[in-house]
Amino acid sequence: SAVISQKPSRDICQRGTSLTIQCQVDSQVTMMFWYRQQPGQSLTLIATANQGSEATYESGFVIDKFPISRPNLTFSTLTVSNMSPEDSSIYLCSVPTSGGSYNEQFFGPGTRLTVL
Amino acid sequence: KQEVTQIPAALSVPEGENLVLNCSFTDSAIYNLQWFRQDPGKGLTSLLLIQSSQREQTSGRLNASLDKSSGRSTLYIAASQPGDSATYLCAVYNDYKLSFGAGTTVTVRA
Repeated sequence: SAVISQKPSRDICQRGTSLTIQCQVDSQVTMMFWYRQQPGQSLTLIATANQGSEATYESGFVIDKFPISRPNLTFSTLTVSNMSPEDSSIYLCSVPTSGGSYNEQFFGPGTRLTVL
Repeated sequence: KQEVTQIPAALSVPEGENLVLNCSFTDSAIYNLQWFRQDPGKGLTSLLLIQSSQREQTSGRLNASLDKSSGRSTLYIAASQPGDSATYLCAVYNDYKLSFGAGTTVTVRA
């Protein structure tokens, strides 16, 4: 299994500001995924982050709103830009085992974001 | 587009009773199915992974079955305990991503 940490664990932010969330993995992985979980909802994939290439965004998510960096094989950041109360969610990163995408997925502890 | 449904949405049982959680999906061309547990305000803990070629997977008191052709999976938790209270999510992997159900929230009463 992979050990995944996220920073910050929670934050309260003002409307119009931006927050960068960090995800650190204890092993090298090719693919990392970012998810959003809105209050009372299930998880929705935001984007897939591959090292050395631009992130691939799902329908309804755009790079200007959720820029992602992937500087190496153990680290990624997700920025939530120009926040509004609708961005209040738990944001989670996940990685597959063995570096591939078909195996078991492990998730970080999540970042709970509240936008006022 | 893959649609994943979990029934029931919520379940309350007395301690010791067996739990049966259902998951269905619309596109049977999946690579695997994974069951997760989520405690309030927390991340996801992986419980079981079933590859598309498998029919079931077991871990301790947990047993998950998969019928890919009918698009169904069932998670059985034997002899439930108050510590099993959580939300259980199933997710299927196909088209290069995980698709999640809305979850079943379980309460085990002492």
